[in-house]
Amino acid sequence: ETGVTQTPRHLVMGMTNKKSLKCEQHLGHNAMYWYKQSAKKPLELMFVYNFKEQTENNSVPSRFSPECPNSSHLFLHLHTLQPEDSALYLCASSQEDSGRSSYNEQFFGPGTRLTVL
Amino acid sequence: QKEVEQDPGPLSVPEGAIVSLNCTYSNSAFQYFMWYRQYSRKGPELLMYTYSSGNKEDGRFTAQVDKSSKYISLFIRDSQPSDSATYLCAMRSPGNQFYFGTGTSLTVIP
Repeated sequence: ETGVTQTPRHLVMGMTNKKSLKCEQHLGHNAMYWYKQSAKKPLELMFVYNFKEQTENNSVPSRFSPECPNSSHLFLHLHTLQPEDSALYLCASSQEDSGRSSYNEQFFGPGTRLTVL
Repeated sequence: QKEVEQDPGPLSVPEGAIVSLNCTYSNSAFQYFMWYRQYSRKGPELLMYTYSSGNKEDGRFTAQVDKSSKYISLFIRDSQPSDSATYLCAMRSPGNQFYFGTGTSLTVIP
């Protein structure tokens, strides 16, 4: 496997279900991200993990719960979602250099298409 | 006011045409300006990024940044059917936050 992989690619769940999205990066990066992509809306940054520590949480509802067990893996745990949470969930990774403000490319996975019924 | 504005299109052009994609932004502190291409059922992939005002060329693609007008553009010369995708502009703040446009859907007709 190369790059950033995400599983599952498609997920349909009811509002009372609990499911998890998985992301794995094979690039040796130290930062990972979850984004939400909805139709006709900009990508929304949900969570950032830098060196395995959560450094950003953009006021995401508590029904989304991230987990970063190591620098290669990132999970998004889902529970009691709403239909408006249906979207493409993208994972990305990058190599961040502490203390430097330089551009570090984000590499995206293919996404998980989530449908909440 | 949104941080980044991008016309969602859709944009449809004949093969060989020059395509112009644009974004405007409101935050003068943005430092890096990126263009991503996203094919259907795939994640975005970085096409180009620039740091300062001016032009940057890569093959058939030219990225242009005008910081005084808070306006960025992506030009595609000799467009090909394989260029059909959604193009996302993105900007990064000094605090390493990324802001994306809504994406412009482009179709190049053979």
